[in-house]
Amino acid sequence: DAGVIQSPRHEVTEMGQEVTLRCKPISGHDYLFWYRQTMMRGLELLIYFNNNVPIDDSGMPEDRFSAKMPNASFSTLKIQPSEPRDSAVYFCASSWDRTAGELFFGEGSRLTVL
Amino acid sequence: GDSVTQMEGPVTLSEEAFLTINCTYTATGYPSLFWYVQYPGEGLQLLLKATKADDKGSNKGFEATYRKETTSFHLEKGSVQVSDSAVYFCALSRDTNAGKSTFGDGTTLTVKP
Repeated sequence: DAGVIQSPRHEVTEMGQEVTLRCKPISGHDYLFWYRQTMMRGLELLIYFNNNVPIDDSGMPEDRFSAKMPNASFSTLKIQPSEPRDSAVYFCASSWDRTAGELFFGEGSRLTVL
Repeated sequence: GDSVTQMEGPVTLSEEAFLTINCTYTATGYPSLFWYVQYPGEGLQLLLKATKADDKGSNKGFEATYRKETTSFHLEKGSVQVSDSAVYFCALSRDTNAGKSTFGDGTTLTVKP
């Protein structure tokens, strides 16, 4: 069974450009999470969805960040315009069992904004 | 609110040494507790979990026991290997958070041959 699939694995862009990160959760999982990981701030939850509906976006840093989940098998995280401080590894994770809360992570998208 | 506090790293051990990484938590109710491991260049993956008090989670020689009286979930391994070098995250999840997990800051373990 395929795990959580993220693309691109690496992205290098220039300040001011739009960045779109993509995620395909595990089939049947009804929760999807976007995390950001940096050396300075560790692992931060940005937003999560339940049944394609955003539940908590309090971790989204600012209006430059937006996330969508148009269907159960696809989600995007968009940064527009990007800034050097957005450089980080962005992880998508999915879950199906609310009681246990186990998360299944993708391999991450490493973003570098020059 | 919920919180997870992990032993600060980095931790450096020689191969075959005993490992303990401390984890304590603050949460109301009865959370589920987890240890995740992140190998270099990869995402986090579940190492072990425990869903109720006194449960012991175990996997790949690692163990952790859910201690409600001390609100702890310390990770242990009797004999570490070089391949165990990674970052270890303690986490909790509560039903009322609808799947949202709280993570510790992570502890970096380096095992030297």
